[in-house]
Amino acid sequence: QVQLQESGPGLVKPSGTLSLTCAVSGDSISSRNWWSWVRQPPGKGLEWIGEIYHSGSTNYNPSLKSRVTISADKSKNQFSLKLRSVTAADTAVYYCARVPEFDYWGQGTLVTVSS
Amino acid sequence: QSVLTQPPSASGTPGQRVTISCSGSNSNIGSNHVYWYQQLPGTAPKLLISRNNQRPSGVPDRFSGSKSGTSASLAISGLRSEDEADYYCAAWDDSLRGRVFGGGTKLTVL
Repeated sequence: QVQLQESGPGLVKPSGTLSLTCAVSGDSISSRNWWSWVRQPPGKGLEWIGEIYHSGSTNYNPSLKSRVTISADKSKNQFSLKLRSVTAADTAVYYCARVPEFDYWGQGTLVTVSS
Repeated sequence: QSVLTQPPSASGTPGQRVTISCSGSNSNIGSNHVYWYQQLPGTAPKLLISRNNQRPSGVPDRFSGSKSGTSASLAISGLRSEDEADYYCAAWDDSLRGRVFGGGTKLTVL
């Protein structure tokens, strides 16, 4: 059974960097899948952030591209998200998921941007 | 404003059939697969329909998906109280070179 688990700080200061990691079990991030980050602001819909392939290829949401970096650590079978220059608008539940089908998701982690 | 357009709400009574629409363009729905997700309150989304009309293992056959041109639909027959949730469509967008979600539809079972 494929499982994904997000981890990282639940509180980030404005202008700081949000950093999250997604640990994958039951599948290898070197498999023929992409690995993605999605977020959901409180009470709102889903927003795709970006994704990574094990080769290092990435795709990003154009609206976030200038602030986002997604990387992968094959030795630890995990991938990570960094979102720079955060504001209150970046407060959301952040999910990691396996794509292209988004068939497996992490439970999500709430990240609040506040001083 | 989402790239894929869904009605914000839908409703039905137990046993009824309801449909939720998802409207896009040639660069997304018109040329790529559509996926549907169910999100119960406080939980992660769950894949309901894959590749326009494929049900993953464990998804009841009450749920079905279809696609025509630049639009797609999710149909739920034999509506049950536990179907009350938010539903999202998604697709790859060739122009944006990224994945796009619909704004979500909140389904209420009356």
